[in-house]
Amino acid sequence: QKEVEQNSGPLSVPEGAIASLNCTYSDRVSQSFFWYRQYSGKSPELIMSIYSNGDKEDGRFTAQLNKASQYVSLLIRDSQPSDSATYLCAVDPGNTGKLIFGQGTTLQVKP
Amino acid sequence: SAVISQKPSRDICQRGTSLTIQCQVDSQVTMMFWYRQQPGQSLTLIATANQGSEATYESGFVIDKFPISRPNLTFSTLTVSNMSPEDSSIYLCSVEDRDRVSNEQFFGPGTRLTVL
Repeated sequence: QKEVEQNSGPLSVPEGAIASLNCTYSDRVSQSFFWYRQYSGKSPELIMSIYSNGDKEDGRFTAQLNKASQYVSLLIRDSQPSDSATYLCAVDPGNTGKLIFGQGTTLQVKP
Repeated sequence: SAVISQKPSRDICQRGTSLTIQCQVDSQVTMMFWYRQQPGQSLTLIATANQGSEATYESGFVIDKFPISRPNLTFSTLTVSNMSPEDSSIYLCSVEDRDRVSNEQFFGPGTRLTVL
């Protein structure tokens, strides 16, 4: 059983819409959660980190964490074609720095 | 965040040879990690490289195949030994932010390896 699950997509949204990316994890004691964006041929770029239940906002991005449901999501408001990329959810179950990544969700924002 | 560089950025190698990948950081970092991203796949942690101690390897990865050095707080190398086509991947180093409260990790640009 995979420890971090994401829908591979592609998720297609029109420009200006809200994109919602979801991730579930299996280790209930996980404390650290991260969203990375990876453009084709590039390395992952950290977008958000979240550690507490609730929402964390940074510009057009909002990360949401629900530890009871073992669920973390990323909302992208006012989606732009430049947001088209693969979004990777990562979990650090033991707070050791050893990240476990989901398979990633490919987002396509259509003009 | 730290600026991370990797060398080489890409290479094409013959089966049975070895390649050493370098990771350089512009500031001192305690923890460095090496990941592999196989074609069309997500990232998998190979090992943790801490200065002054042996690297710790994840299940499925062994020191004989992926020896790692960490001579100081700004540099690490990963060697891919006795390569086969299955080793064709992107190899990425990452560093953990010095602020342990956040433990955010940042990735280098990666080394794209093709084994023929």
